[in-house]
Amino acid sequence: GAVVSQHPSRVICKSGTSVKIECRSLDFQATTMFWYRQFPKKSLMLMATSNEGSKATYEQGVEKDKFLINHASLTLSTLTVTSAHPEDSSFYICSAERGPNQPQHFGDGTRLSIL
Amino acid sequence: LAKTTQPISMDSYEGQEVNITCSHNNIATNDYITWYQQFPSQGPRFIIQGYKTKVTNEVASLFIPADRKSSTLSLPRVSLSDTAVYYCLVGERGDMRFGAGTRLTVKP
Repeated sequence: GAVVSQHPSRVICKSGTSVKIECRSLDFQATTMFWYRQFPKKSLMLMATSNEGSKATYEQGVEKDKFLINHASLTLSTLTVTSAHPEDSSFYICSAERGPNQPQHFGDGTRLSIL
Repeated sequence: LAKTTQPISMDSYEGQEVNITCSHNNIATNDYITWYQQFPSQGPRFIIQGYKTKVTNEVASLFIPADRKSSTLSLPRVSLSDTAVYYCLVGERGDMRFGAGTRLTVKP
């Protein structure tokens, strides 16, 4: 089946640090990737839709200057949390879509902890 | 954008069949219905997807009535390892939102 790799799986860093999370589709090309955020015991919240070669589309309330998304190739999208603060601590999950009406395939998430 | 409603939680016992129903009254013509399973601290895992009638794969069946306003995920003979949160998503490409999901607990 389709495999999406997300790296790193866990990050602990000091407040003010910028953190980059990578999402790779290993065995298919993904023109569209998605970034989600999940708080404990809560559902996934869509942050942005990332399209290869163009600017990401952010959901309402998500700061695009805070959460920088780059989708430079058909197999890689990155999310950079800039100047992270404790309130940015969360579980970040990416997904990739193989094609029209195909299910999304998810990475295993990144646990971000800002001290 | 079709909104989904699922039971918040369900309990079952090992070996039983579990049916989780999702309501999506505002489903659009082009919308597909997709179910995911999520374990703690992991990304969701695709279970099954369908458009109408019945779909079956090696792990589950998906029943969709003619009006498509609901769908039922059927898990045959659950085991303890099926304890997880199950999400029903309805939408077209790139336009899917996660609802609250159903927390299934399988007991010995």
